[in-house]
Amino acid sequence: GQQVMQIPQYQHVQEGEDFTTYCNSSTTLSNIQWYKQRPGGHPVFLIQLVKSGEVKKQKRLTFQFGEAKKNSSLHITATQTTDVGTYFCAGGGFQKLVFGTGTRLLVSP
Amino acid sequence: DGGITQSPKYLFRKEGQNVTLSCEQNLNHDAMYWYRQDPGQGLRLIYYSQIVNDFQKGDIAEGYSVSREKKESFPLTVTSAQKNPTAFYLCASSPRPSGETQYFGPGTRLLVL
Repeated sequence: GQQVMQIPQYQHVQEGEDFTTYCNSSTTLSNIQWYKQRPGGHPVFLIQLVKSGEVKKQKRLTFQFGEAKKNSSLHITATQTTDVGTYFCAGGGFQKLVFGTGTRLLVSP
Repeated sequence: DGGITQSPKYLFRKEGQNVTLSCEQNLNHDAMYWYRQDPGQGLRLIYYSQIVNDFQKGDIAEGYSVSREKKESFPLTVTSAQKNPTAFYLCASSPRPSGETQYFGPGTRLLVL
């Protein structure tokens, strides 16, 4: 079946450093979505990318969808302690979303 | 105030007992989903429903059952056949099936003693 892998599994950065998580699907996706889950909370939708090569920005967050629509990345510039949490990508376009394995981000002040 | 509600937030049960987790949405969404999350892990799909009176097994359906008698409600029963039921259970909904954006409830933490 379809699988969506994310790397790294975990990253610990100092506040102000950049952070990137990568998402790779075993199959071509119709769209890619990103979610953030704060510690103890539930996943919250961040953004959806649909077009091949698409790049979207939300303040310090930059999201990319690969040309082949099989991979994606989330880059955070100058992390803040409020960025702490687990970031999940999810591949869409099928009967259900397929969630990635997640990247847990820890930011030290 | 629209959204998805799950109750209770914490639930304790004795081993061997069935327990039902509630999930209600007033977003008029067609599709609803149940996920299980273990500490430090990702989301694993238990069951999903694309329309009333219909549902499909996800990746880890064994030991669980669901019903979808109303559009707004998608309760999950954790049966005694589930070997390791202690986990964080998340319910989600989407306007339509087929990979739409999902909106999650606050979750229920189930502890089986």
